[in-house]
Amino acid sequence: DAKTTQPPSMDCAEGRAANLPCNHSTISGNEYVYWYRQIHSQGPQYIIHGLKNNETNEMASLIITEDRKSSTLILPHATLRDTAVYYCIVRVLNSGNTPLVFGKGTRLSVIA
Amino acid sequence: DSGVTQTPKHLITATGQRVTLRCSPRSGDLSVYWYQQSLDQGLQFLIQYYNGEERAKGNILERFSAQQFPDLHSELNLSSLELGDSALYFCASSPSLDTGELFFGEGSRLTVL
Repeated sequence: DAKTTQPPSMDCAEGRAANLPCNHSTISGNEYVYWYRQIHSQGPQYIIHGLKNNETNEMASLIITEDRKSSTLILPHATLRDTAVYYCIVRVLNSGNTPLVFGKGTRLSVIA
Repeated sequence: DSGVTQTPKHLITATGQRVTLRCSPRSGDLSVYWYQQSLDQGLQFLIQYYNGEERAKGNILERFSAQQFPDLHSELNLSSLELGDSALYFCASSPSLDTGELFFGEGSRLTVL
């Protein structure tokens, strides 16, 4: 799987949008971008995934650049409960023998 | 609540001992994954099972073993424990092999003294 690069930490004011970047410049055409988060020692939680189109769900929006070399996870109105480590992962969709590989992620601190 | 149940939540044991961690996947999920998270290593993939068969193996030590039973629950056995095995052990499940959407349990925190 392609590697991803994320900033180690970010701050965001409560109520503002949190924009978490991820670089995946070596991504292959059949690799999807997945985002997970982990709130203080809890199990990681799936957020969203996408291939090339922008995606939105009840938790977040995912913006993938046209060349697919980078993406941004957007939490539209961050709350204190969004403080967590956010992981950006790329993985081939139909690859049953390829597990998700977690990097170091971005530690997002939402500040009141 | 992800629907994945792990027991025990906390476990304290001594070096050289053996422990078994248990995972019940979400109802209907056939695939089970085990991950280890220690302070200095982050989340490390250990092993994956699908419908009772091993499908992928990560950096799992020879002292560790796992299996998935016919009722789809899984157990991770850790033996000859060392101080460095102290970590959070997460189980995750998914309905199929193809999806990257995994549902993680709350983990089992192992402390080896």
